[in-house]
Amino acid sequence: ETGVTQSPTHLIKTRGQQVTLRCSSQSGHNTVSWYQQALGQGPQFIFQYYREEENGRGNFPPRFSGLQFPNYSSELNVNALELDDSALYLCASSLGAPETQYFGPGTRLLVL
Amino acid sequence: SQELEQSPQSLIVQEGKNLTINCTSSKTLYGLYWYKQKYGEGLIFLMMLQKGGEEKSHEKITAKLDEKKQQSSLHITASQPSHAGIYLCGARTQGGSEKLVFGKGTKLTVNP
Repeated sequence: ETGVTQSPTHLIKTRGQQVTLRCSSQSGHNTVSWYQQALGQGPQFIFQYYREEENGRGNFPPRFSGLQFPNYSSELNVNALELDDSALYLCASSLGAPETQYFGPGTRLLVL
Repeated sequence: SQELEQSPQSLIVQEGKNLTINCTSSKTLYGLYWYKQKYGEGLIFLMMLQKGGEEKSHEKITAKLDEKKQQSSLHITASQPSHAGIYLCGARTQGGSEKLVFGKGTKLTVNP
């Protein structure tokens, strides 16, 4: 196990709703990255937080937002959910590039 | 355009056989990472390669990096059913960036 935990494990929402996903990083890691993995695809980088500030963002719209807390845990918020947001959401923690990112078990989101 | 191409997309081997998975980048590599994923679960870190010509082994898995060709290979010797899963290569294609780009993965089935 990596020590990275995510909650909840599964979630079902309807189109237009908002969702918050949570991630606890591995002890000592100050950097958290979030990824979206659609079925049959590799993970896609959403954004990264370092010491409570966003420090890099992928090609995702502003309705994807996040937070990092002083204990380095993190939240991913998605507003105005769309059907295409259905995916496995993964968070990964590290000590920052180029160190290895360690992934949590993921949250499976289904948007109906 | 896909920055990381993996081949093959899927592989079915008999237990005890050797196999190789390839990962080719269209951009300069600043670190290449191999992960294994069980269906719908988080990514398990296998190995990180950073220097051209670097080769690492863990148990029966060996990974190599050819920096000039921007390629990496993952070789499994004497495969076992426990090796089954999806193998993903991920890479930093921007120096100092936390963002990892991933291939679509190679699905490995090992028949007993």
